[in-house]
Amino acid sequence: KQEVTQIPAALSVPEGENLVLNCSFTDSAIYNLQWFRQDPGKGLTSLLLIQSSQREQTSGRLNASLDKSSGRSTLYIAASQPGDSATYLCAAYSGAGSYQLTFGKGTKLSVIP
Amino acid sequence: DAGITQSPRHKVTETGTPVTLRCHQTENHRYMYWYRQDPGHGLRLIHYSYGVKDTDKGEVSDGYSVSRSKTEDFLLTLESATSSQTSVYFCAISGPEKGAAGELFFGEGSRLTVL
Repeated sequence: KQEVTQIPAALSVPEGENLVLNCSFTDSAIYNLQWFRQDPGKGLTSLLLIQSSQREQTSGRLNASLDKSSGRSTLYIAASQPGDSATYLCAAYSGAGSYQLTFGKGTKLSVIP
Repeated sequence: DAGITQSPRHKVTETGTPVTLRCHQTENHRYMYWYRQDPGHGLRLIHYSYGVKDTDKGEVSDGYSVSRSKTEDFLLTLESATSSQTSVYFCAISGPEKGAAGELFFGEGSRLTVL
């Protein structure tokens, strides 16, 4: 059974700092991995989707990488801003007919002005 | 933003009463999902649908049923609500490309409190 872990559970950084959020998964036979952002009381917003054949995806100040062999994905946020404060979740899709994403529990990011 | 509307957004009910949550999409996506989110457990899949009248169970399906009579609507029903079903419920959809492995989009959530 796929397990997804995000460490640390919470992270506080000063504004302007570059930072990396980590996501690890136990089953390397994934179809894709998706990163989400969740603001308090809101739904999840899709940030980046990386297919298993890709190594990374970029959107603005965000860059996500995928290393299936090591079971890891990272989300890099450049020049962090207070508006980046939110909980970031990753989810691995393992397929095999399960139609199911396995979610990590998230990293709560606080960017201090 | 993906066109996903959940209703009601907030509901308080009593133990033993039936509750139906509705998810409506305007994207014509084939796959629809119901998740619940609880502190300490994260997001867990309740049921999903891969087409009209085609549904299947997820990780935590006990006490829940679903129906999908139209592409755009996916209903989640708690036949007899219990306090353990107090949670935030999210509907999600994924596109036709690459089947269920496509990008997942979420609704704003429905907060249910069972007293």
